[in-house]
Amino acid sequence: EAGVAQSPRYKIIEKRQSVAFWCNPISGHATLYWYQQILGQGPKLLIQFQNNGVVDDSQLPKDRFSAERLKGVDSTLKIQPAKLEDSAVYLCASSLGTGSHQPQHFGDGTRLSIL
Amino acid sequence: AQSVAQPEDQVNVAEGNPLTVKCTYSVSGNPYLFWYVQYPNRGLQFLLKYITGDNLVKGSYGFEAEFNKSQTSFHLKKPSALVSDSALYFCAVRFNTNAGKSTFGDGTTLTVKP
Repeated sequence: EAGVAQSPRYKIIEKRQSVAFWCNPISGHATLYWYQQILGQGPKLLIQFQNNGVVDDSQLPKDRFSAERLKGVDSTLKIQPAKLEDSAVYLCASSLGTGSHQPQHFGDGTRLSIL
Repeated sequence: AQSVAQPEDQVNVAEGNPLTVKCTYSVSGNPYLFWYVQYPNRGLQFLLKYITGDNLVKGSYGFEAEFNKSQTSFHLKKPSALVSDSALYFCAVRFNTNAGKSTFGDGTTLTVKP
């Protein structure tokens, strides 16, 4: 089966600019996650969708970050405006079904550098 | 609140020797526990999980992990390390509820030397 697809792989922008990331999960996977991975740290959950509904966005900085999952398939994560501390790898993951016992399947991420 | 600790930033072993990567957790109730591996410039790959039952779980590439409820630990092990096992390893914990949030440790870099 095809894995989780993310684009772009790399993005360099200046602070205060906006940026968007795209994710296509594994076909049929109901749950989609966006994580932020800062260098030297583990992934931190930003937002979790079940189908096209938000399950958890408690750690999403909502003043600058937004995410949507239209039609319960693809998802986009946007940052506007970007800050220096947003430099990180943004990982998208998906899992089959909605149970917490399901392992997550990760894309290769988008590496964001803020100048 | 739930948390995960990986006390060692780096583990070095010689090829052919056994390896252990440590993980302890803090969560109320009975957790679901996971190990993932990350290679450079790649996403995380699932290795194994503990849900319930036998405390020793086996996963991909010859890895296994032992769940110890009294010590709240879930250490990753392999009897004989390979150079190709060199990577970054993450332990994760989730509440055993529907759509429970995952919390990851900060990772342990495993280096296996020939």
